[in-house]
Amino acid sequence: DAGVIQSPRHEVTEMGQEVTLRCKPISGHDYLFWYRQTMMRGLELLIYFNNNVPIDDSGMPEDRFSAKMPNASFSTLKIQPSEPRDSAVYFCASSPLDEFTDTQYFGPGTRLTVL
Amino acid sequence: GQNIDQPTEMTATEGAIVQINCTYQTSGFNGLFWYQQHAGEAPTFLSYNVLDGLEEKGRFSSFLSRSKGYSYLLLKELQMKDSASYLCAVSEPRWAGNNRKLIWGLGTSLAVNP
Repeated sequence: DAGVIQSPRHEVTEMGQEVTLRCKPISGHDYLFWYRQTMMRGLELLIYFNNNVPIDDSGMPEDRFSAKMPNASFSTLKIQPSEPRDSAVYFCASSPLDEFTDTQYFGPGTRLTVL
Repeated sequence: GQNIDQPTEMTATEGAIVQINCTYQTSGFNGLFWYQQHAGEAPTFLSYNVLDGLEEKGRFSSFLSRSKGYSYLLLKELQMKDSASYLCAVSEPRWAGNNRKLIWGLGTSLAVNP
């Protein structure tokens, strides 16, 4: 299995620009999660999907952030307009529908720098 | 509120044993995870505890006491490659709707010295 795939791995952009992060979950997994990680705040859940439907977006910081999952094998996280405080590592994770455990499998992350 | 506490940093010597503690206060509890995260990499799954007691997996063991809201990760025969951040996370009960959220601690950065 290829694991969770994210692109790009690194993104450097200027304040005000639009940023789009992409994720391909593990095939057959029903849940997809978007996280942001910083030294100060650790791992923060932004939003998660079940069978392509957003379940909880309470962690999305503000209207500048949006996420979509048009099909079971693809999701995007968009920031428009980007700000320097959005600089962080963004992880995508997926999880199977399992009666006994909620194990999440993480992608390699996208390191975003907003200048 | 939801709260998970772990020490920020720990240091240990190669070949030794180290115990990383995690205490949690959450509105509900289904299970507790430990993940390992090397610098610049993604978190990777180490262990999952649902019932009280010790789960052993090679050099790593994880313990859970639900009544005390306490867990620890025990690393034996430490190796340099064990230098990483160790994250504790709690999963909430399934009865809370379609809930698959994990509540994460900030992680414990472990440095293994020669």
